[in-house]
Amino acid sequence: DAKTTQPPSMDCAEGRAANLPCNHSTISGNEYVYWYRQIHSQGPQYIIHGLKNNETNEMASLIITEDRKSSTLILPHATLRDTAVYYCIVRVDGTGFQKLVFGTGTRLLVSP
Amino acid sequence: EAGVAQSPRYKIIEKRQSVAFWCNPISGHATLYWYQQILGQGPKLLIQFQNNGVVDDSQLPKDRFSAERLKGVDSTLKIQPAKLEDSAVYLCASSLTGGPGTEAFFGQGTRLTVV
Repeated sequence: DAKTTQPPSMDCAEGRAANLPCNHSTISGNEYVYWYRQIHSQGPQYIIHGLKNNETNEMASLIITEDRKSSTLILPHATLRDTAVYYCIVRVDGTGFQKLVFGTGTRLLVSP
Repeated sequence: EAGVAQSPRYKIIEKRQSVAFWCNPISGHATLYWYQQILGQGPKLLIQFQNNGVVDDSQLPKDRFSAERLKGVDSTLKIQPAKLEDSAVYLCASSLTGGPGTEAFFGQGTRLTVV
């Protein structure tokens, strides 16, 4: 079962920041938060991941609350090509290897 | 760097027929995953390999699905016999170690239609 909760859909105007929330209230201390996105008819694409600290790369920023029970993915200047389903995933401990369990994600629509 | 390669891209078969999908992961990646994605849903993990050993196959319907990863590189996923509800996109992914904090890279997937 997915361990995260996300809104089913969000809208964003082109050029504005898109802030996608995720709740993971049952996260364990050593579990990472990952974000992937899936553009129509393609495989999921890795965006970013973090454990405790905020992270930033060329695609996005990840803000994790101090209690680690929620996080926000920020796309600073959304473009039309950012329209996709965004998945927030918490690594599920099993055998010591990462197990990515996807939920239903947030469908982000970026409009002109 | 070459990505995860999958073939075929599309496959249409009749129910009760068999089908096989092939995956070539990124070179050097020890962990390989097969996911099933039904339309409108997130991907569901079917099986996870570490090198050529199975780490997790708890969600694999073993009465009809099988997978192997010979020599710890390429992998095949087979369905025999197929059912209508097997219509989905089958995604292969790989990661360097599979350990905490490592990202997985996905292929384009194989879209299976069972009629």
